[in-house]
Amino acid sequence: DQQVKQNSPSLSVQEGRISILNCDYTNSMFDYFLWYKKYPAEGPTFLISISSIKDKNEDGRFTVFLNKSAKHLSLHIVPSQPGDSAVYFCAASALSNTGKLIFGQGTTLQVKP
Amino acid sequence: GAGVSQSPRYKVAKRGQDVALRCDPISGHVSLFWYQQALGQGPEFLTYFQNEAQLDKSGLPSDRFFAERPEGSVSTLKIQRTQQEDSAVYLCASSAAAGGYEQFFGPGTRLTVL
Repeated sequence: DQQVKQNSPSLSVQEGRISILNCDYTNSMFDYFLWYKKYPAEGPTFLISISSIKDKNEDGRFTVFLNKSAKHLSLHIVPSQPGDSAVYFCAASALSNTGKLIFGQGTTLQVKP
Repeated sequence: GAGVSQSPRYKVAKRGQDVALRCDPISGHVSLFWYQQALGQGPEFLTYFQNEAQLDKSGLPSDRFFAERPEGSVSTLKIQRTQQEDSAVYLCASSAAAGGYEQFFGPGTRLTVL
């Protein structure tokens, strides 16, 4: 039973445009959400996070939006750059879960020059 | 470097062999997590340590999997009698706080069982 889902396996955007990556979750106990970026042969790298008490968090070109009623979050990258090309994982956690992260399947983003 | 390191980076084992995977977390980090990532999937939780105490091992797939962190720093994940379905990338992550959400990952160990 997949508690965190990324329904788009891949996304291709033009350099300079906005990239929007989506994530859905089913467990209402999740209270913290994170996005990780992964290059081949490397471990995931933390990008940005959001607590369930907020609906938006922004860090430079990256913004995460949380819609708790829809159990949906999204990552916006603007403007997109070729170096952003990687696999992006959405992850969720609950205070009661010792901090362990539940990951989605990942979305491969390709930013074309 | 100050990041999480893992060794070996690649391991090939014959079915039935035992393997040991090592993780060196960021110095001073209290929490240590192990994840298993199958091809094309996201990482899946295996086990969690707070200092030397293994507080959650609910993700270990069978009793062939064993993890330890005896001095609260370096951790070892051991897999006994490896099987082909154990082939995956094993990721270690550490976090400064107990149960810390923001986890820093190592590069992983790619295990291939023939």
